[in-house]
Amino acid sequence: EADIYQTPRYLVIGTGKKITLECSQTMGHDKMYWYQQDPGMELHLIHYSYGVNSTEKGDLSSESTVSRIRTEHFPLTLESARPSHTSQYLCASSGGTGGSGNTIYFGEGSWLTVV
Amino acid sequence: GIQVEQSPPDLILQEGANSTLRCNFSDSVNNLQWFHQNPWGQLINLFYIPSGTKQNGRLSATTVATERYSLLYISSSQTTDSGVYFCAADSGYSTLTFGKGTMLLVSP
Repeated sequence: EADIYQTPRYLVIGTGKKITLECSQTMGHDKMYWYQQDPGMELHLIHYSYGVNSTEKGDLSSESTVSRIRTEHFPLTLESARPSHTSQYLCASSGGTGGSGNTIYFGEGSWLTVV
Repeated sequence: GIQVEQSPPDLILQEGANSTLRCNFSDSVNNLQWFHQNPWGQLINLFYIPSGTKQNGRLSATTVATERYSLLYISSSQTTDSGVYFCAADSGYSTLTFGKGTMLLVSP
């Protein structure tokens, strides 16, 4: 089983507030990802990292930012939340050796509602 | 980037029935994975299968890389199989691209 954890699982915040979604993994994976998913819809990659001090923007434009100071930790921050940010945010990681090192493991997700 | 298309978009089965889900991709792949998302939003990796065939219990998957498609077979379906099944692929130049998913409902 994957050991990747997200907090908070559910959050309701007001417009304009700053929020950080936490993601940690204990598998020593080099690669970590943040996806955004609206209910019943496809996943969109918003940020990824291939290692410490490495971050890249994904396919979907996002007003969020990320950091990767430690291998196991990949937090996502929204400086000023808006109702359009209401969504599920999924953190994932991959790593290891060989082809199966490409296998991606997901956290349980963080459901964000901005009112 | 690579395009990933899944079919059918929705599927309703009686418990005990078998089903086949399809994933077509537009380029050669070095990474193809199948996932199951349960009704609570949790995504579980089912198979890493850029080519060949794998089986895990009632589930099996086959990828024919030369013809750019992958199939996920579910046999003797159970209500707990309900959810959305996603295929994701990477041609080696970027990160995984997800399809839009197949929503499966298994009724008792």
